Amino acid sequence: AQKITQTQPGMFVQEKEAVTLDCTYDTSDPSYGLFWYKQPSSGEMIFLIYQGSYDQQNATEGRYSLNFQKARKSANLVISASQLGDSAMYFCAMRGNTGGFKTIFGAGTRLFVKA
Amino acid sequence: KAGVTQTPRYLIKTRGQQVTLSCSPISGHRSVSWYQQTPGQGLQFLFEYFSETQRNKGNFPGRFSGRQFSNSRSEMNVSTLELGDSALYLCASSLLEGGNYGYTFGSGTRLTVV
Repeated sequence: AQKITQTQPGMFVQEKEAVTLDCTYDTSDPSYGLFWYKQPSSGEMIFLIYQGSYDQQNATEGRYSLNFQKARKSANLVISASQLGDSAMYFCAMRGNTGGFKTIFGAGTRLFVKA
Repeated sequence: KAGVTQTPRYLIKTRGQQVTLSCSPISGHRSVSWYQQTPGQGLQFLFEYFSETQRNKGNFPGRFSGRQFSNSRSEMNVSTLELGDSALYLCASSLLEGGNYGYTFGSGTRLTVV
């Protein structure tokens, strides 16, 4: 069975500092994709970054980078130079190949950026 | 280009009634997935459709059903509503089923069952 675990219900970070949001996963699929989404208080879900299980390099998208450690089954999101607008819920997600391409989500981490 | 459109945005229904929610994906997107989001359970997977075929179904009772039309628009139906069905229902579309394509989500339909 596939599982995503986000152990940090809430995180605080000072504006302009970097923050790491943790995500661990469990799957028996040899090939899978890992995603991070942001959900601001307005409610819409925004796709941030993708990491494929066979990608050799960590994914980066602007201020977002994914620290992928395959052996540890972790896919932590690093946000550099935090901004007030980064305050939101962040969801880690995984899509595998077993039984189709469904994507499962973790419980989320609420990030608060302090001025 | 237009995003994922979900209608209606808000809905109030009475226990025992049935409801149909609609989702129009981004033009060209053939994969549509549905999720139920609640404060207690988070994002729970409901269904995934690709080219009018249901590819996956989550662990929900048979009261929850869905379909996808030839133009990729999708509907989900919940019959015999229960109080616990109150939630934000999110639709997400993707260009293809797999690969590095992230979802584009709609704004959701907030269903309240009274």
